[in-house]
Amino acid sequence: GAGVSQSPSNKVTEKGKDVELRCDPISGHTALYWYRQSLGQGLEFLIYFQGNSAPDKSGLPSDRFSAERTGGSVSTLTIQRTQQEDSAVYLCASSFLAVTDTQYFGPGTRLTVL
Amino acid sequence: GENVEQHPSTLSVQEGDSAVIKCTYSDSASNYFPWYKQELGKGPQLIIDIRSNVGEKKDQRIAVTLNKTAKHFSLHITETQPEDSAVYFCAAKDSGNTPLVFGKGTRLSVIA
Repeated sequence: GAGVSQSPSNKVTEKGKDVELRCDPISGHTALYWYRQSLGQGLEFLIYFQGNSAPDKSGLPSDRFSAERTGGSVSTLTIQRTQQEDSAVYLCASSFLAVTDTQYFGPGTRLTVL
Repeated sequence: GENVEQHPSTLSVQEGDSAVIKCTYSDSASNYFPWYKQELGKGPQLIIDIRSNVGEKKDQRIAVTLNKTAKHFSLHITETQPEDSAVYFCAAKDSGNTPLVFGKGTRLSVIA
């Protein structure tokens, strides 16, 4: 079946511009997660959506970062006024229910801020 | 909050040898410990996981062990093959609505 998809696969932008990254979770999965992976580093949690509950935004590094999830499915991560330190791979994952814990990852979006 | 340490950061083994990657965690409430494999240019893929009600789990050439008293868990890969070369991540979480906390990864190279 279809896995988690993300678009675009690569994004190059200029410092100060806004970017939107999209995630399509596995159909029927109620939980959706965004992570950031900097070069050679582990996965840094950003934000988590579970059903209709308020999202857990505790990992967002600054108020330039925001995310929404429309209709309990597709999610968009927005980075405003991008900085060079925002350059990283942004990974999305989904799980059927949060308590089952098994997260399935998409291929990621590689963001490069010039 | 939870903190996960992973060692080593890089590991090179000869094809056919075993590889062991170790992780420690800090939060005694954590009870779910997955391992992910990430190949170049791809997202992490779950390869095995263990929950705190068991001490060991095996799946063909891959096994994970868990010591809750010492708060550490390990990934064991036997009879390594070149296609095992990748970055491996351990992670931990509790049963609540909390995110996975990942280690920094181990780059495994299997030399033919």
